[in-house]
Amino acid sequence: DIQMTQSPSSLSASVGDRVIITCRASQSISNFLNWYQQKPGAAPKLLIYGASTLQSGVPSRFTGSASGTVFTLSISNLQPEDFATYYCQQSYSGRNFGQGTKLEIK
Amino acid sequence: QVQVVQSGAEGKKPGASVKVSCKTSGYTFNTYGINWLRQAPGQGLEWMGWISTDRADTEYPQKFQGRITLTIDTSASTAYMELRNLRSDDTAVYYCVRESRTSPFYFDYWGQGTLVTVSS
Repeated sequence: DIQMTQSPSSLSASVGDRVIITCRASQSISNFLNWYQQKPGAAPKLLIYGASTLQSGVPSRFTGSASGTVFTLSISNLQPEDFATYYCQQSYSGRNFGQGTKLEIK
Repeated sequence: QVQVVQSGAEGKKPGASVKVSCKTSGYTFNTYGINWLRQAPGQGLEWMGWISTDRADTEYPQKFQGRITLTIDTSASTAYMELRNLRSDDTAVYYCVRESRTSPFYFDYWGQGTLVTVSS
């Protein structure tokens, strides 16, 4: 099974900051990596698919990148609505998720 | 517009089974696969399985094999997830999600979630 290791598990930041969340795959998954945002009490929402393609309607301050088996989600100019939990997910073999990163207001 | 609507909350006793439905609309049902996920209270997302909506092929992670069955009713544009021999640690919100048609596969539409509580 492919393991997805996401870090950090939690992160504190201020409005206007830039943050980076990292996800490492246990083996090559090409670009089969997606990012989701989940707010309390709601279903997750797709942000980025294929490692770097922004889902329609998602603000451009969210960017995704990849280098080998390491994937990053970057959020620039943090807005109040961005404080949530973020998950990476691989879809190369099976569909499993990273452990999640809770982004909190400092 | 695409909609994914799941059945309501369920309360079950240990050892029982639960069957959650997922009714879709707004697109051609048999052209997008359906996945099922769950999220225990305060925990992360866990993938439970996938079903193709054209041939009803299925794929389950080893953890759930033998205890889960995914099915579809194409005439009703509805998918179902049955989990058997429930335990207390099966208490979770269960999600039905539509998967993109082409790779890299991603989940673009989500149901609202169904809370399943397992307690004696």
